[in-house]
Amino acid sequence: EDQVTQSPEALRLQEGESSSLNCSYTVSGLRGLFWYRQDPGKGPEFLFTLYSAGEEKEKERLKATLTKKESFLHITAPKPEDSATYLCAVKGTLGGYQKVTFGTGTKLQVIP
Amino acid sequence: DGGITQSPKYLFRKEGQNVTLSCEQNLNHDAMYWYRQDPGQGLRLIYYSQIVNDFQKGDIAEGYSVSREKKESFPLTVTSAQKNPTAFYLCASSTAPLYEQYFGPGTRLTVT
Repeated sequence: EDQVTQSPEALRLQEGESSSLNCSYTVSGLRGLFWYRQDPGKGPEFLFTLYSAGEEKEKERLKATLTKKESFLHITAPKPEDSATYLCAVKGTLGGYQKVTFGTGTKLQVIP
Repeated sequence: DGGITQSPKYLFRKEGQNVTLSCEQNLNHDAMYWYRQDPGQGLRLIYYSQIVNDFQKGDIAEGYSVSREKKESFPLTVTSAQKNPTAFYLCASSTAPLYEQYFGPGTRLTVT
């Protein structure tokens, strides 16, 4: 069974204090790893898809990286508007090609 | 603007009543999904549909039903057989199962 573990559960940063969120996964045949941002009471917003180890993607202050066992979401010089819950999800080959397994998220708070 | 709409945003029902949640997309996506989100848990798949007039059960389909009569629409009915229906329900779509999913704003259902 595919599994996704995100750490830490919650993270509090000062504005400008860079850090990383971790997503550890076990999957039979990774087809894709996804990062989403979710604001309270709203649906997740798609950020990145990573397909193979070594791949990196960037968007503004966010950079996602992927190894064979984990993915990191690096946040550089965060601002208060980056406060949200960040979700990681993986798609493997088991369970049919529609199966996506989500982690429980890291709740990020950026303090001015 | 293309996107996914869900209605209503908040829904209140009494126990024993069936209720239908609406999901519409104008992204021309073939695949559509319904998830349930509970505090401290990852998103869990209820039903998915790859094409019109076809849908499959996800991990927690008991007490739910769906239809897919049009490409744009994928309504979810929460029946009285669902033992714990109070939750945040999210609809999503994707161009194909291997690609990222895009989410709607969600419907928060409260059953008392």
